[in-house]
Amino acid sequence: LAKTTQPISMDSYEGQEVNITCSHNNIATNDYITWYQQFPSQGPRFIIQGYKTKVTNEVASLFIPADRKSSTLSLPRVSLSDTAVYYCLVVIFGAGNNRKLIWGLGTSLAVNP
Amino acid sequence: DAMVIQNPRYQVTQFGKPVTLSCSQTLNHNVMYWYQQKSSQAPKLLFHYYDKDFNNEADTPDNFQSRRPNTSFCFLDIRSPGLGDAAMYLCATSGKGETDTQYFGPGTRLTVL
Repeated sequence: LAKTTQPISMDSYEGQEVNITCSHNNIATNDYITWYQQFPSQGPRFIIQGYKTKVTNEVASLFIPADRKSSTLSLPRVSLSDTAVYYCLVVIFGAGNNRKLIWGLGTSLAVNP
Repeated sequence: DAMVIQNPRYQVTQFGKPVTLSCSQTLNHNVMYWYQQKSSQAPKLLFHYYDKDFNNEADTPDNFQSRRPNTSFCFLDIRSPGLGDAAMYLCATSGKGETDTQYFGPGTRLTVL
């Protein structure tokens, strides 16, 4: 069963690129990777999702190597408002409509001025 | 705007007194999830509905029950809240597809006295 591991915390400065890596060693062929952002007292918010190689949207990029045992969320030029907790999630689809959600413990990103 | 709504945002109950939390969605999503999130921890999935099919996580206590009377609404019932059940309760929805992301509500903060 997949397990996700990510750093507990990271520090950065405004304008820098931040890369947060999540390890998911036992990911299976059909599982995909999603990243969420959460601010205090709010529900998590979808950032980006991918299956392999590279995905880019207006807020982030997601890099997934060929073996898919890890993924890296890249936030370009962070600002103070990017200070939040970032979660890596692996979704495993089982038989029928069953799905298993493997959440990482979250990476608390602090962006400093 | 399509969204996930949780009521109430804050709920105070007494030890052992049943409480019901409500979630509604205007996204017409097939899947609805209930999570428990304690301070500085990742969201913990309690159960999810795929349409009317109920999927309980193996480690969800019997004290937690859920109802989904229709596509739009889902309820979380805590039959006998204990002090350890004080947490943020998050509702989320997603579509049927394998790549459908979860949309979270703002959460209900439960306090048990």
